[in-house]
Amino acid sequence: NAGVTQTPKFQVLKTGQSMTLQCAQDMNHNSMYWYRQDPGMGLRLIYYSASEGTTDKGEVPNGYNVSRLNKREFSLRLESAAPSQTSVYFCASSEDTGRSTEAFFGQGTRLTVV
Amino acid sequence: AQTVTQSQPEMSVQEAETVTLSCTYDTSESNYYLFWYKQPPSRQMILVIRQEAYKQQNATENRFSVNFQKAAKSFSLKISDSQLGDTAMYFCAFTTGGATNKLIFGTGTLLAVQP
Repeated sequence: NAGVTQTPKFQVLKTGQSMTLQCAQDMNHNSMYWYRQDPGMGLRLIYYSASEGTTDKGEVPNGYNVSRLNKREFSLRLESAAPSQTSVYFCASSEDTGRSTEAFFGQGTRLTVV
Repeated sequence: AQTVTQSQPEMSVQEAETVTLSCTYDTSESNYYLFWYKQPPSRQMILVIRQEAYKQQNATENRFSVNFQKAAKSFSLKISDSQLGDTAMYFCAFTTGGATNKLIFGTGTLLAVQP
């Protein structure tokens, strides 16, 4: 009963390096999300995907790209990492029923950009 | 724009006592959904309780209950009989639902339960 799985759990990057955060869910949810969590700011939405093949910007999309590879997987890519992208990243998914249901979260990725 | 405000960055409570965490929100929508999430040191986000705005009855889950005041746009969380395992960051969150359940989060309240 995996739920939402994120990899990696920890990562250190040098400024300018690129990387992709992977996320997969096994609950057959339509909607998937990427959030970042910073001290004193709560969680902020980076990108989301309402269904396979569609993606939309959230509140803080600059510096990121996403891919909804299939219904299960939603990846987040940092093309040229910057220290301002040091954060904890969460992937989440939810069922699209026209009314709100619980969002299920992965365990988070702590990313440090030096 | 919808916003969620948690005005208490940190709170402390003695074990077995009751504590209330505050949350206010701003929206022009008439139907929406509110949540409290708990984040323990493990970093996992755990849903504590949810409230649908069209329901007048306050939600309750065991020791957790909410005081939902729609006119005042207030959604506080009451934790009764506090336990050491309740020590965590608590986030209030809001969504209008619909095609996607994009959540808007408050900045969080760090709750410490003292033995």
